[in-house]
Amino acid sequence: GAVVSQHPSWVICKSGTSVKIECRSLDFQATTMFWYRQFPKQSLMLMATSNEGSKATYEQGVEKDKFLINHASLTLSTLTVTSAHPEDSSFYICSALLDSYNEQFFGPGTRLTVL
Amino acid sequence: QKEVEQNSGPLSVPEGAIASLNCTYSDRVSQSFFWYRQYSGKSPELIMSIYSNGDKEDGRFTAQLNKASQYVSLLIRDSQPSDSATYLCAVNILNDMRFGAGTRLTVKP
Repeated sequence: GAVVSQHPSWVICKSGTSVKIECRSLDFQATTMFWYRQFPKQSLMLMATSNEGSKATYEQGVEKDKFLINHASLTLSTLTVTSAHPEDSSFYICSALLDSYNEQFFGPGTRLTVL
Repeated sequence: QKEVEQNSGPLSVPEGAIASLNCTYSDRVSQSFFWYRQYSGKSPELIMSIYSNGDKEDGRFTAQLNKASQYVSLLIRDSQPSDSATYLCAVNILNDMRFGAGTRLTVKP
């Protein structure tokens, strides 16, 4: 149980385009999901907390107009990187909170490369 | 002071030895504590959670929590090369999960 999927697993796009990443909790409902970014050999960086039916809460320094988050259902959150640039190239990982145990389960991640 | 601190390592142990990973946290109201394993290029995987003082064992893994000292540790017995990974300590602070930077463990055959 407690499986989280992400799609796509990798994406290559041109500079200036937008990319949408989906995060799904497959076997449980998640009122809260999280989006992280991780650069090579660095630690996880929390970008935002996504709450079902309400606006996401962004960490300091994360541009909410650039990283659009939508959590429209209890099993799906999406992150859209708008007008992507090469510096946005990173490993994006979502997680979903299993409320009953207060545990976060991570998706497999999406590797974004912006040319 | 960082909210969750870990020694970045690398920590190197021989195969079959006990690997000891340590984590300290700053906020006394923390109630939930977690250890994640992250292989290179992969996302973190939850391996242990602990909520009360003392030891919790699961197979070769033992989590230890001491709330008075604000200290949580993970012991890996009979370490295997497949245990080589980065281990992340996570602490739930008022419903806000905070991660340490991780300790890189290498188990040498």
